[in-house]
Amino acid sequence: DQQVKQNSPSLSVQEGRISILNCDYTNSMFDYFLWYKKYPAEGPTFLISISSIKDKNEDGRFTVFLNKSAKHLSLHIVPSQPGDSAVYFCAAGQTGTASKLTFGTGTRLQVTL
Amino acid sequence: DTEVTQTPKHLVMGMTNKKSLKCEQHMGHRAMYWYKQKAKKPPELMFVYSYEKLSINESVPSRFSPECPNSSLLNLHLHALQPEDSALYLCASSQSPGQGILGGTEAFFGQGTRLTVV
Repeated sequence: DQQVKQNSPSLSVQEGRISILNCDYTNSMFDYFLWYKKYPAEGPTFLISISSIKDKNEDGRFTVFLNKSAKHLSLHIVPSQPGDSAVYFCAAGQTGTASKLTFGTGTRLQVTL
Repeated sequence: DTEVTQTPKHLVMGMTNKKSLKCEQHMGHRAMYWYKQKAKKPPELMFVYSYEKLSINESVPSRFSPECPNSSLLNLHLHALQPEDSALYLCASSQSPGQGILGGTEAFFGQGTRLTVV
């Protein structure tokens, strides 16, 4: 049972354009969400997070949007840069459960010149 | 220092071997984790240590044995593994166990140990 899903396994975006990565979840108990970026042969790197009390969080080029009623979140990267090419995982957790994160299946982003 | 350091980076072991993976962080984090990641799959939680005590074991086979000697160190002892246990093993730490995002629960990951069981 995949509680966190990223339905697009890959995405290709031109440099300078906006990248939108999507994530859906099924467990309504999740109350915080994170995005991680992963390069090959490296561990995931934390990017940005959002709690269920907000619907938007912004950090530089990265913005995460949360739609609780739709159980959907998205990560916007603007402008996209070639160095953003990586696999992006969304993850979800529930307060009070010892920080147990459930990861989505990942989306491979390729930013082209 | 925002690093989680894992050693070794690569490990090849036979099915009868005993080996250990090591993880270290000096960020004062009180939650530490072991995740397993197979190719083209998301990281899957194995164990969570909260304040040096095992708080979550995700039904991991006993051939994997975690240990948290102190608040900075986390080990994963391996014995009698199977070839299907070959994967990237990731260690992570976070500041406040169970506090959710308000407690700074972003987990920081190490680079992982690429384990191959032959």
